Amino acid sequence: QVQLVQSGAEMKKPGSSVKVSCTASGGTFSAFAISWVRQAPGQGLEWMGGIIPIFGTANYAQKFQGRVTIIADKSTSTAYMELSSLRSEDTAVYYCARFEPFVTAYDYWGQGTLVTVSS
Amino acid sequence: QSALTQPASVSGSPGQSITISCTGTSSDVGSYNLVSWYQQHPGKAPKLIIYEVSKRPSGVSNRFSGSKSGNTASLTISGLQAEDEADYYCCSYADSYTWVFGGGTKLTVL
Repeated sequence: QVQLVQSGAEMKKPGSSVKVSCTASGGTFSAFAISWVRQAPGQGLEWMGGIIPIFGTANYAQKFQGRVTIIADKSTSTAYMELSSLRSEDTAVYYCARFEPFVTAYDYWGQGTLVTVSS
Repeated sequence: QSALTQPASVSGSPGQSITISCTGTSSDVGSYNLVSWYQQHPGKAPKLIIYEVSKRPSGVSNRFSGSKSGNTASLTISGLQAEDEADYYCCSYADSYTWVFGGGTKLTVL
């Protein structure tokens, strides 16, 4: 059974950076894209970007270009999302999700990581 | 990219059918049959219920169905049940290996 396990909640100051991890088990990590989706309190889902570990290149939503970095470590089956220049509007639950190419959709999701940005 | 447009809320009584629309543009929903739908209960991660416009993953009830016409995709839930009360999100491929979600629709089962 595929599982995506994310790192724990983070409290950050405005202007700082946060790095969230997502460790996969039960599947072939390198072959599937991993994307990051965030959800601000009471708001909808927002696609941030994704990476295919076997290729190592990431794609980002225009809104986050220059502020987000997504990388994958094949040796530990872990994907990371780093968001810099944090502001209060970045307070959200951040999810990683696995993209299954046979269904062209996100079939497995992590449990979510709450990132709170506050002075 | 701008978020896909969904109604903020819909409601229906048990046993009834409801439809949630998801309107995009000719650059996303209108260009690709890569629309998926997700169900999210409070405090939980989203769950895939429809992929490629109208296909259901194994284990998802056949009460859920999807369709698309032009730039608008739709999710229909028939035979509403109490457990269907949740938030629903559409998602579409939006070119250059990027994806876009809808704003979400809160379904209330009366």
